[in-house]
Amino acid sequence: AQSVTQLDSQVPVFEEAPVELRCNYSSSVSVYLFWYVQYPNQGLQLLLKYLSGSTLVKGINGFEAEFNKSQTSFHLRKPSVHISDTAEYFCAVSYFAGGTSYGKLTFGQGTILTVHP
Amino acid sequence: EADIYQTPRYLVIGTGKKITLECSQTMGHDKMYWYQQDPGMELHLIHYSYGVNSTEKGDLSSESTVSRIRTEHFPLTLESARPSHTSQYLCASTRGGTGSYEQYFGPGTRLTVT
Repeated sequence: AQSVTQLDSQVPVFEEAPVELRCNYSSSVSVYLFWYVQYPNQGLQLLLKYLSGSTLVKGINGFEAEFNKSQTSFHLRKPSVHISDTAEYFCAVSYFAGGTSYGKLTFGQGTILTVHP
Repeated sequence: EADIYQTPRYLVIGTGKKITLECSQTMGHDKMYWYQQDPGMELHLIHYSYGVNSTEKGDLSSESTVSRIRTEHFPLTLESARPSHTSQYLCASTRGGTGSYEQYFGPGTRLTVT
C-alpha cells in the first residue's frame, strides 16, 4: 500500500525564522504531490502542487516545495514565517499508472506549525 | 475560490438517530470525495464518486452510505449514529479527465454523537 509520512507532528518556530516541513512518500509508480493547509475549524486549502516539470514549486503565501524523486520527498519550506502561518499542514500524494490517475489522495498525518512572536 | 459547501457545519445528535451530511459544489466537477478526520490525525477517504450514479467505498471502512444522483450533490448518510461516528467529515471535489488535479475542500461538518 502507498503511504505518506510527515516526519514531524509539531514544529514550533519564532516569527521571521525559516521553516521546513518534511514529507516522504512510498511509491513504485508516478505521483502527483500536494501540500494543503488547514486553519482551525476550516477545510483544506491548496498551498502548492507538483505535477511535472521543474522540481521546485512555488505556492501561495510565500511557500515553496522541492520534489526529490530519488529520495521520494516533497519538503515544504518558507524563508520567513508569520504568526498567520500557524496552522496544520498536510502533504498528499496522488498515484497513477499507465497515464491514468483516479484522483484519490493519500494524506500524511499532518504537521502542526506554531509560530511564536 | 472554490465553491463547495457543506451543511451543517456542526451537529450534535443522540445515538440511534439518522443523519445526512450535505455536500454541494457549483464547479461542475465530476469527481467527489468524503473524508473522515479525527483530531490531530490524517484524512481518511471513506467514499468517492466519479460521476452520477457512481459511488465507491474508500480506503477506510465506514458504516455511512452515499448517493450521487446529481453532479453537484453528494450527500452522506448514517442510518443509526453511534458515538464512534464522532469526527469531522470533509467533502472534496475535483474535475474529471485522466490527469490528477487538486481537490477542492468544503469547510467540513463536525459531528458529535452523544
